[in-house]
Amino acid sequence: LAKTTQPISMDSYEGQEVNITCSHNNIATNDYITWYQQFPSQGPRFIIQGYKTKVTNEVASLFIPADRKSSTLSLPRVSLSDTAVYYCLVGVTDYKLSFGAGTTVTVRA
Amino acid sequence: EAQVTQNPRYLITVTGKKLTVTCSQNMNHEYMSWYRQDPGLGLRQIYYSMNVEVTDKGDVPEGYKVSRKEKRNFPLILESPSPNQTSLYFCASSLLGFENTEAFFGQGTRLTVV
Repeated sequence: LAKTTQPISMDSYEGQEVNITCSHNNIATNDYITWYQQFPSQGPRFIIQGYKTKVTNEVASLFIPADRKSSTLSLPRVSLSDTAVYYCLVGVTDYKLSFGAGTTVTVRA
Repeated sequence: EAQVTQNPRYLITVTGKKLTVTCSQNMNHEYMSWYRQDPGLGLRQIYYSMNVEVTDKGDVPEGYKVSRKEKRNFPLILESPSPNQTSLYFCASSLLGFENTEAFFGQGTRLTVV
């Protein structure tokens, strides 16, 4: 299972773009990169998933360079309601999602 | 609406009194799992199930039981709860064992054992 490293916390202001980079140097060939969002006392929520290049949905964009050793989640024009913990997950082992500490994003007015 | 439903949302109980936390999904998913979340320890898998009547231990199965008699339901059973099982519990389901697919989580059950 690929180990991931992401910043512990990030601060931003409403209307700004937030970019969270996750490092996963030992990603395997068949591993996908997935991001989840979690609000306090709620279950994690799937945001986006990708394998290479760029993926975009109505919530976020995911940028993955050619070597796939890192990925960047981009949240455009954040609002106060985007304050949450964001988890980067790479691959699945034994039918288990391995959540690390995640990145706590705090959006201020 | 696709969802995973857990009940109860909050539960306070006493040590040794058997309890069951129910989990139900309406997406016809084969894979279901239970996690507990504790401060500083993150989300840890308790048990998972690949299909009806097929279950297996996760990372922290001690003190818990599960059953999968129907595809949609995956209850978590604490036969004799202890204070160290005070935690926030989440049930999750997915179509293909979480591999390359979206996992859906329930809203959580906050359990306090006194």
